[in-house]
Amino acid sequence: AQSVTQLGSHVSVSEGALVLLRCNYSSSVPPYLFWYVQYPNQGLQLLLKYTTGATLVKGINGFEAEFKKSETSFHLTKPSAHMSDAAEYFCAYNDMRFGAGTRLTVKP
Amino acid sequence: EPEVTQTPSHQVTQMGQEVILRCVPISNHLYFYWYRQILGQKVEFLVSFYNNEISEKSEIFDDQFSVERPDGSNFTLKIRSTKLEDSAMYFCASRVDRGPSYEQYFGPGTRLTVT
Repeated sequence: AQSVTQLGSHVSVSEGALVLLRCNYSSSVPPYLFWYVQYPNQGLQLLLKYTTGATLVKGINGFEAEFKKSETSFHLTKPSAHMSDAAEYFCAYNDMRFGAGTRLTVKP
Repeated sequence: EPEVTQTPSHQVTQMGQEVILRCVPISNHLYFYWYRQILGQKVEFLVSFYNNEISEKSEIFDDQFSVERPDGSNFTLKIRSTKLEDSAMYFCASRVDRGPSYEQYFGPGTRLTVT
């Protein structure tokens, strides 16, 4: 079945450090891939999406993700973590199938 | 900026009771969804709705669940006889069209507590 897998249910980084949240997909056809963020007690908000074209996708709040077909990955990165980035992050496939989520904690 | 709204924000009900969760999608959107998120767990797809009929549903969406678009603005999820395990956050989402490249816009959710 086509799906996404998020490696690591919890990631903790220090403020100013690199953020790397991992997402791998399994698909026999080119996927559309999305990253959503969920702040406490809120709904999901789109960070960025990959449809076609450029494989490096830039999103809101300084986040970006790179689609790597050879690795079937779509990892989310941010060069420098901010306290306000603490949230739950979900990778999604074709915008309906969500990964299990990764909780990002940012330490001062 | 247009947004998806959901009411109520929190619903408490007794086991066996019927509940209706309400959503107002973004006005020019055509494709609607319900998702469930049990506390601390992943977001689970329940159902999608397009052109006044169910487009796709998951195995979670059994006969206890139904959806309706009773007028031009509301989109509802009904649970006929609630169970304890129905306690969760329920999110409504809408999308401008059905193509998989279009992102969804989520409402803030309704927290359903079944006692």
